[in-house]
Amino acid sequence: QKEVEQNSGPLSVPEGAIASLNCTYSDRVSQSFFWYRQYSGKSPELIMSIYSNGDKEDGRFTAQLNKASQYVSLLIRDSQPSDSATYLCAVSFPDSNYQLIWGAGTKLIIKP
Amino acid sequence: DAGITQSPRHKVTETGTPVTLRCHQTENHRYMYWYRQDPGHGLRLIHYSYGVKDTDKGEVSDGYSVSRSKTEDFLLTLESATSSQTSVYFCASQPGQNPDTQYFGPGTRLTVL
Repeated sequence: QKEVEQNSGPLSVPEGAIASLNCTYSDRVSQSFFWYRQYSGKSPELIMSIYSNGDKEDGRFTAQLNKASQYVSLLIRDSQPSDSATYLCAVSFPDSNYQLIWGAGTKLIIKP
Repeated sequence: DAGITQSPRHKVTETGTPVTLRCHQTENHRYMYWYRQDPGHGLRLIHYSYGVKDTDKGEVSDGYSVSRSKTEDFLLTLESATSSQTSVYFCASQPGQNPDTQYFGPGTRLTVL
């Protein structure tokens, strides 16, 4: 059973602080990892993808991947109220025809 | 943003009736997906398509069928709607083979009474 686990939250972070979102997955052979953001009542949109161990930075967002620990995280620096949303982690499992398996999402609230 | 639309956006129907949801994309993406999203479950794959007339089942395909007669259209049919199929349905398209970005439509909120 392919599983992607996220803490459902809500995670409350003060404006300007760093928000840290975590995701674990069940299969060591997974190679592709994605973070999507979903505002309430809207559809998911891609924020970051990461395929190699280490960090990948894009503006205020940093994705971190540790394949040995089966762990991927998303850091949001200088958090803004507009970052308040649900963040979905998705993992591609090669032996499932590369379908994405999704975590249930973490709700992030940035407090002004 | 990828041009992907869904219709209808909202629908209320009764148990036992057939329902068809439409997904239309203008990006000539090869891959298309139907998901349902329920509280506490995240997105669950119902069916997907890897080309015209090429479809396969996902994790929660029971009670659903799909068709793709043109690249731009992917239809999801609930053969006989049940209350357990009350959900938000999202269509997504993807330009190339995995890994690649999935672009989502706005969603359809379906209520089965």
